Amino acid sequence: QVQLVESGGGVVQPGGSLRLSCAASRFTFSNYAMHWVRQAPGKGLEWVSSIRYDGNNKYYPESVQGRFTISRDNSKNTLYLQMNSLRPEDTAMYYCAKETGFGLFDWGQGTLVTVSS
Amino acid sequence: SYILTQPPSVSVSPGQAASITCSGDKLGDRYACWYQQKPGQSPVLVIYQDTKRPSGIPERFSGSNSGNTATLTISGTQAMDEADYYCQAWDSTTVVFGGGTKLTVL
Repeated sequence: QVQLVESGGGVVQPGGSLRLSCAASRFTFSNYAMHWVRQAPGKGLEWVSSIRYDGNNKYYPESVQGRFTISRDNSKNTLYLQMNSLRPEDTAMYYCAKETGFGLFDWGQGTLVTVSS
Repeated sequence: SYILTQPPSVSVSPGQAASITCSGDKLGDRYACWYQQKPGQSPVLVIYQDTKRPSGIPERFSGSNSGNTATLTISGTQAMDEADYYCQAWDSTTVVFGGGTKLTVL
């Protein structure tokens, strides 16, 4: 069964940076597009970023464009999200998810990011 | 930007059918997915490509998508189906989620 394990969350001050990781196992990581999705406390799901299987195409919504960078290391089966210039509104649980056939089939357990002074 | 609209809440009696709608401009021209999320848990995909169920998802979950509306139907709703449900579609290369619907089984 697919396993996705996020890490790297924590408390950071506004304007600070954080790097999230998502360790993937039990599937051929290099064959699949991957996504980051976040959920602010008590709120709905918000798509944060996606990256194609080979890392050549990356996509972001306007809310994080220019501040967040998605990347992957297929040799390490790991997905990353570099978050800079963090704002209080970035406070959320961050999930990584594996895309298959126009759906996000598998999700990690999430890592919590809190942006607060 | 593309917007998906869901009702904030839906209530259903046990054993009855529940329908949750998701509206978006020409949504029927795109693939729609549905996710179930229970408190404290990660989302689970229950419908993809409008009508398909991932393995392990009960047959009582079904989907449709036509015109401007995608619909998730749960037939014979059980107490365990009480959860938040989110629709999702693609807008070109970006992913769009609906605001979510809280399904209450009472």
